[in-house]
Amino acid sequence: AQSVTQPDIHITVSEGASLELRCNYSYGATPYLFWYVQSPGQGLQLLLKYFSGDTLVQGIKGFEAEFKRSQSSFNLRKPSVHWSDAAEYFCAARRVGRRALTFGSGTRLQVQP
Amino acid sequence: GAGVSQSPSNKVTEKGKDVELRCDPISGHTALYWYRQRLGQGLEFLIYFQGNSAPDKSGLPSDRFSAERTGESVSTLTIQRTQQEDSAVYLCASSKGGLGDSSYEQYFGPGTRLTVT
Repeated sequence: AQSVTQPDIHITVSEGASLELRCNYSYGATPYLFWYVQSPGQGLQLLLKYFSGDTLVQGIKGFEAEFKRSQSSFNLRKPSVHWSDAAEYFCAARRVGRRALTFGSGTRLQVQP
Repeated sequence: GAGVSQSPSNKVTEKGKDVELRCDPISGHTALYWYRQRLGQGLEFLIYFQGNSAPDKSGLPSDRFSAERTGESVSTLTIQRTQQEDSAVYLCASSKGGLGDSSYEQYFGPGTRLTVT
């Protein structure tokens, strides 16, 4: 069955430190891949997406993600975290030709001053 | 323009009652999706509408759940005989649709928090 796994339920980092959130997928063929952020009381906002081509994808708010086919991973990174980045982050995937997204269970990011 | 809107933002209902949740997609978006997010979990796909095509209902968890959409406008998700396990945030999303997979980027509304007591 197709699935998206986010191994880390909760991560705490210090402001200014680097961040990496992990995401692994299990699909027969490489799906389209996405990262969303959900802040308290707000809807989901798309950070970045990978369809094909360059495996390093740049997104909004200084985030980037790297697609690694050999590891079935699509990890999200940010060089220097800001307090405003505290939120829940969701990795999602969509099979080519299908419209519905499959989401991971999310990683809650806490930022310490 | 305005984003996806949903109403009500919060709904508390008694077990066994029916509820209707509403979604207003972004104007001009032909595709509309409903998802459910249980506490501490990711989103689960429920149903997808694309224009006048038959909806993809493959994610609906039981026959107590149904959804309608008239044309390319408002959609309502109905849950009949609600159960406590239906307590969740119900999120709606819309996409421009059309040719090409990139046109199916989904824009999400703020959700309706449903509590069944």
